[in-house]
Amino acid sequence: GQQLNQSPQSMFIQEGEDVSMNCTSSSIFNTWLWYKQDPGEGPVLLIALYKAGELTSNGRLTAQFGITRKDSFLNISASIPSDVGIYFCAGQLFHDKIIFGKGTRLHILP
Amino acid sequence: EADIYQTPRYLVIGTGKKITLECSQTMGHDKMYWYQQDPGMELHLIHYSYGVNSTEKGDLSSESTVSRIRTEHFPLTLESARPSHTSQYLCASRAEISYNEQFFGPGTRLTVL
Repeated sequence: GQQLNQSPQSMFIQEGEDVSMNCTSSSIFNTWLWYKQDPGEGPVLLIALYKAGELTSNGRLTAQFGITRKDSFLNISASIPSDVGIYFCAGQLFHDKIIFGKGTRLHILP
Repeated sequence: EADIYQTPRYLVIGTGKKITLECSQTMGHDKMYWYQQDPGMELHLIHYSYGVNSTEKGDLSSESTVSRIRTEHFPLTLESARPSHTSQYLCASRAEISYNEQFFGPGTRLTVL
C-alpha cells in the first residue's frame, strides 16, 4: 500500500532556530495535510494543501505541496517552546483514506 | 475548531473487563475513524466507517469492535481488556467531500492492569 516517508524522525534544536521537515511518497496525492500533536492530546490540523506547487503560510509555519505531487515540506521559523510536539504529514488521493507519516518529534533544548 | 468529543479521557481498568470508548461529532461527517497510538509513536488505523451501518477494519489488526448506528456516534468496544490493549485511542472524522480535512478528538488514554 501507499507509504509516506517522513524525516527527520526527531529534531533537537535551540529556541529561535528555524525548523524544516519533509514527507515523500512513491505515489501521488491530491491533498497534503500537516498536523501537530501535543503530549496526551489528539493531532490538530496546521495546514492543508490542495494544489501542486502550492505554498501556504500560517503564522510562523510555511508548507509546500511538491510540484511532482509526491512530496511536501513544513518549515517553522524562529521556534518557541510551545512548538514542541510531534508533527505528522498526511496525504490523500481523492476519496481514499488519509495516509499518515510516522511523525517528526521536535525537541527544544533549554 | 473541530467538534469531536471522546470520553472518557483517561481510563484505568483491570484485565478481563468490558469497556466502551465513546466518540461523537457534531459536524455531520459521514466518515469516522479509530486510531491506536502508543506514546510518542505513529498512528495506526484500526477501524473506519463511511456512514451509518458501515464499518471496516483498518490496517492494524485489533481485537476491538465498532458500531455506527447514528451518524454522529462511533463507539469502540473491547469485550475483554488485556494489558496489551494499553494505548491511546484517537477518534477522527471527515466529510464526504473529497478535498476535506480530517479532524481528531482529544483521545482516550487506556491503561489495563
